[in-house]
Amino acid sequence: GQNIDQPTEMTATEGAIVQINCTYQTSGFNGLFWYQQHAGEAPTFLSYNVLDGLEEKGRFSSFLSRSKGYSYLLLKELQMKDSASYLCAPMDSNYQLIWGAGTKLIIKP
Amino acid sequence: GAVVSQHPSWVICKSGTSVKIECRSLDFQATTMFWYRQFPKQSLMLMATSNEGSKATYEQGVEKDKFLINHASLTLSTLTVTSAHPEDSSFYICSARGLEGNSPLHFGNGTRLTVT
Repeated sequence: GQNIDQPTEMTATEGAIVQINCTYQTSGFNGLFWYQQHAGEAPTFLSYNVLDGLEEKGRFSSFLSRSKGYSYLLLKELQMKDSASYLCAPMDSNYQLIWGAGTKLIIKP
Repeated sequence: GAVVSQHPSWVICKSGTSVKIECRSLDFQATTMFWYRQFPKQSLMLMATSNEGSKATYEQGVEKDKFLINHASLTLSTLTVTSAHPEDSSFYICSARGLEGNSPLHFGNGTRLTVT
């Protein structure tokens, strides 16, 4: 079957760094996406990894290890507005995104 | 770039009436659009996959006669909730993907439907 495992909730302090881990199992693999979703809003695209390694985009970086079925999203210099849910979404062989429940990140001053 | 416009943002309707939600890709062509539903504090639930010019593919448990999907062009898909009931109250979100298979999904802002 297909499944995604992310922590349900994480708490971090403003200005700090946080890493959100994701492990996945899919039928085939065509890359992995990270999305941010604020409460009551639709998800917004953050990053896409299809090859192993780290992709850096400003304060956010995403890492992928295909052999381990593992990815993480790294957020630096946390700001209060980063409080949101972060969704790890691998794409299967049919180019369908598989969605988990995401990780709710709470930023404290 | 990659803007998806969804309308309306929120709607309140009476039980038994129908509601149409529009999803447009404004600056790219989308052969495939997806319709999701999300209940509070739950994950996105894929309802159906809509391909331009063909019938939508519905996920198990989603009634195709209740949730009518039309994808008439490469930039427009519509979802009509027919004979709405209070249990249909939810957050409906569309997304669109560009022509390449591994293009990211870009989401509309969602439609909050309340059926009274």
